Amino acid sequence: EVQLVETGGALIQPGGSLRLSCAASGFTVSDNYVSWVRQAPGKGLEWVSIFYSRSSDSFYADSVKGRFTLSRDNSKNTLSLQMNSLRAEDTAVYWCVRRHNTSWAHQWWGQGTLVTVSS
Amino acid sequence: QSALTQPPSASGSPGQSVTISCTGTTSDVGAYNYVSWYQQHPGKAPKLILYEVIKRPSGVPDRFSGSKSGSTASLTVSGLQAADEAHYYCGSYAGSNNFVFGTGTKVTVL
Repeated sequence: EVQLVETGGALIQPGGSLRLSCAASGFTVSDNYVSWVRQAPGKGLEWVSIFYSRSSDSFYADSVKGRFTLSRDNSKNTLSLQMNSLRAEDTAVYWCVRRHNTSWAHQWWGQGTLVTVSS
Repeated sequence: QSALTQPPSASGSPGQSVTISCTGTTSDVGAYNYVSWYQQHPGKAPKLILYEVIKRPSGVPDRFSGSKSGSTASLTVSGLQAADEAHYYCGSYAGSNNFVFGTGTKVTVL
């Protein structure tokens, strides 16, 4: 059974840094495509980033480019999202999502972790 | 990348059908058949209900159907049930390894 568990959400001051982790089970992160999607309180979904397993490339939404970085730990089957220079508008629930292997469809979602950026 | 445009709300009585539109551009919805739809109940993670415009993941009832014409995709929920009351989001590949979601539609079962 595919499962994703996000951890690391917290209350953080503007300008600060935070690292979210996504622990996967039932599949291997290194063989799949995993995205991060967020949702600000009361707002819609926003795609944040994706990690391409085969090439180890990462791609980011313009809103986080240059501030957020993905990394993978094969030994722990985990994908992490390093978030720097956090802003109030980064406040959201962040989900780790396994994408369909042959299609741009976000199929398996974690339970989400809340990041609050506030002084 | 701008969010795809959806109507804020839609409604229907039990047993009826409701159709939600998702309007993008020639750079996203109009360019690719990678349109997907997600159902989100309050406090829950979204659930994929359609992908590649018309395909249903295993376990999703055929009451959910999709279509696309030009830069506008549509989701139709037939035989509305109380459990269908939720927010629905479309999404589309937008090229250059980017993805964009729609603004979301709240479906109310009257």
